[in-house]
Amino acid sequence: EVQLVESGGGLVQPGGSLRLSCAASGFTFSSYSMNWVRQAPGKGLEWVSYISTSSSTIYYADSVRGRFTISRDNAKNSLYLQMNSLRDEDTAVYYCARQVGYYKWFDPWGQGTLVTVSS
Amino acid sequence: DIQMTQSPSSLSASVGDRVTITCRASQSIDNYLNWYQQKTGKAPQLLIYAASSLQSGVPSRFSGSGSGTDFTLTISSLQPEDFATYYCQQSYSTPFTFGPGTKVDIK
Repeated sequence: EVQLVESGGGLVQPGGSLRLSCAASGFTFSSYSMNWVRQAPGKGLEWVSYISTSSSTIYYADSVRGRFTISRDNAKNSLYLQMNSLRDEDTAVYYCARQVGYYKWFDPWGQGTLVTVSS
Repeated sequence: DIQMTQSPSSLSASVGDRVTITCRASQSIDNYLNWYQQKTGKAPQLLIYAASSLQSGVPSRFSGSGSGTDFTLTISSLQPEDFATYYCQQSYSTPFTFGPGTKVDIK
């Protein structure tokens, strides 16, 4: 079964840091580009970041560029999101998602991990 | 950045109704349009990819159409398990923007 499991969320103060992880199983992780998507409480979906199979190509949303860093370890079948200088508006459920096919759809998604930025 | 809009933002429908949700891109995105369903407290799930291709395991009452800037998701006969929020997403270029969502609830 293809599965993604996020971890690392929690409560952090504004200005703090957190590192999210996404463990992949059931597929050849190194063959797929990956993404992070977030959803603030009661709001819609916001794409956060993309990383290619070899980490050679990385993109970020303007809202996180310079503060967040995406990375992956293909030997460990894992995706990461290092989040620094966290703000209240970064409070959200963070999902990792596999990117598939020529038209680059997202499937599957992990169950999500909640990040709460609050003093 | 490519902006995505959806209409309506919400709708109330009955079991058995035909439901249509529209999605519009601010510029042409060819067929780089995907639809996701999200139930409360759950992760989004892929329904339709490349504008009109049905994801494996998704019931055939779901269908997608369109190309360029205008797209449609249709549920031919609404079932109780279809009450959820539906999002379109463009995967033509980063940032991979989502529409604001359409909430489908029980009439």
